[in-house]
Amino acid sequence: EAGVAQSPRYKIIEKRQSVAFWCNPISGHATLYWYQQILGQGPKLLIQFQNNGVVDDSQLPKDRFSAERLKGVDSTLKIQPAKLEDSAVYLCASSYSGGAIYEQFFGPGTRLTVL
Amino acid sequence: RKEVEQDPGPFNVPEGATVAFNCTYSNSASQSFFWYRQDCRKEPKLLMSVYSSGNEDGRFTAQLNRASQYISLLIRDSKLSDSATYLCVVDSGGGADGLTFGKGTHLIIQP
Repeated sequence: EAGVAQSPRYKIIEKRQSVAFWCNPISGHATLYWYQQILGQGPKLLIQFQNNGVVDDSQLPKDRFSAERLKGVDSTLKIQPAKLEDSAVYLCASSYSGGAIYEQFFGPGTRLTVL
Repeated sequence: RKEVEQDPGPFNVPEGATVAFNCTYSNSASQSFFWYRQDCRKEPKLLMSVYSSGNEDGRFTAQLNRASQYISLLIRDSKLSDSATYLCVVDSGGGADGLTFGKGTHLIIQP
């Protein structure tokens, strides 16, 4: 079974530039999550989708971050404009359904460096 | 958002030894508890769920104390391949789906 796919794997940009990340979840997984993991910290949930609807975006910095999952399958996360403190690994995860009882499967992440 | 606290380590442990990690959580409404493992520059992967009665999976034993809001992970007969960061994870509580991760405990098994 194919895992969660993410691209690009690495991205280097200058502050104030824009960047977008793409995620394709495991086939059949209705729930998709975006996490931010800063070096030395655990992943922090940014946004959760159930199909194409947003379940939780309480920790998403909405002034600069946006995410969409238009067809309920793949998703994009955008940062515009980027700040130095956005340097992190952005992890996408998916699960069969909502509910913490379902295991979340993580993609390899996109490592973002903002200069 | 509620917090999950872990000792970041690193824990340097000789191969074959037993090592224990502890974790505390602040959200009394949390119902689901997990340990995830994260290798260097890799994504987190579920190691095991933690049940109220305690549970064991091979060399790994997880315990939960709801009254003290405390979770533990015990690794027996540690192997070199156990070297990784171990993340304590709890759900957001109140029926919400989101997970809150601790910062992780870094374990180094030495030959």
